[in-house]
Amino acid sequence: AQKVTQAQTEISVVEKEDVTLDCVYETRDTTYYLFWYKQPPSGELVFLIRRNSFDEQNEISGRYSWNFQKSTSSFNFTITASQVVDSAVYFCALSEPYNTDKLIFGTGTRLQVFP
Amino acid sequence: SAVISQKPSRDICQRGTSLTIQCQVDSQVTMMFWYRQQPGQSLTLIATANQGSEATYESGFVIDKFPISRPNLTFSTLTVSNMSPEDSSIYLCSVGTFGGIQYFGAGTRLSVL
Repeated sequence: AQKVTQAQTEISVVEKEDVTLDCVYETRDTTYYLFWYKQPPSGELVFLIRRNSFDEQNEISGRYSWNFQKSTSSFNFTITASQVVDSAVYFCALSEPYNTDKLIFGTGTRLQVFP
Repeated sequence: SAVISQKPSRDICQRGTSLTIQCQVDSQVTMMFWYRQQPGQSLTLIATANQGSEATYESGFVIDKFPISRPNLTFSTLTVSNMSPEDSSIYLCSVGTFGGIQYFGAGTRLSVL
């Protein structure tokens, strides 16, 4: 069965700390996409990254970095030197089998960054 | 990316009434989706809105309760019918793009009294 697990329900850090959000997925597909989205208090989901199953290179974008490991079915997200503006709920998502247009979302991790 | 406008942004409704939510995109898109996000929960797909044909509903969601229109490639509506307090949620529309990336509207926060 397709499944996305975000075991961390809520994380609190102090500004400038590094924080890693975990994402573990299950899929029977060999070709799939993984995503991270950010949902700030305003409610809109903001797309952060898409990774396809054949590309295991880590990616860095400013303070954000992603670690994709097929061997452990994980796609973890690290924020370096966190800021108050990073406070949001972060969702990991997986494309459905045979229909990459549809997404399966994890339950989300609420990140609170305190000044 | 796409710019998605969703209206209303929030509403408070009485039990038994219906609310229609609009989703307007700034470019033509094939795939549009409607999601429900119950308080503190993840996103659940309600249906895929197909232009020119009936929407495709996910298990647990029916057309009588959540009728959807998709009159053209830039617009869709979702109606929440005969509302009850259990329908209090955030409703989000999204558009699908190449490679499965979805872009979302700001959502409609619905409270049913």
